[in-house]
Amino acid sequence: KNQVEQSPQSLIILEGKNCTLQCNYTVSPFSNLRWYKQDTGRGPVSLTIMTFSENTKSNGRYTATLDADTKQSSLHITASQLSDSASYICVVNALTGGGNKLTFGTGTQLKVEL
Amino acid sequence: DADVTQTPRNRITKTGKRIMLECSQTKGHDRMYWYRQDPGLGLRLIYYSFDVKDINKGEISDGYSVSRQAQAKFSLSLESAIPNQTALYFCATSLSRGFNEQFFGPGTRLTVL
Repeated sequence: KNQVEQSPQSLIILEGKNCTLQCNYTVSPFSNLRWYKQDTGRGPVSLTIMTFSENTKSNGRYTATLDADTKQSSLHITASQLSDSASYICVVNALTGGGNKLTFGTGTQLKVEL
Repeated sequence: DADVTQTPRNRITKTGKRIMLECSQTKGHDRMYWYRQDPGLGLRLIYYSFDVKDINKGEISDGYSVSRQAQAKFSLSLESAIPNQTALYFCATSLSRGFNEQFFGPGTRLTVL
């Protein structure tokens, strides 16, 4: 069964600190992996997308990594800000005979405090 | 995302009532989706539509129906609402080409009493 597991479930850090969120997946056949940020009361917004051949991709203070061999991805947030408080969702896209199929992780709830 | 709008944003209803949630988009995307989000669970796909004449069931379609009135409009109906349909509902859109990036609406919080 295709699954996406994220850790930790929740995390509290001080403003200015760095953190790393983890995503392990068993989705196959793999097409791409995307990290979304979901602010409270809002819909998810895409941060990065990574394909099979990409190892690292950055978007400002967000850096995503992908190890397709071990089926792991991480999202590193540098110099955190209060506005980074949100849920971060890992989404893996499988390209099946029936087309694209997304499997969503349950998210990591990040809280950045003063 | 202002390009994908959902109405209503909040709704409280009673068991057995018929409810319709509406989604409109100005992104010009051909594909539209309905998801529900529950605490501790990932987003789960209810229905999706690749164009006006192509509607498909997702993984949890029982108790729901949809209508694609136009390329820009996709409605979700709960025929007879029950309490375990209490959830946050999201509409999303995407293009048929590319990496299937989905753009989400702001969500509708539905409570069934």
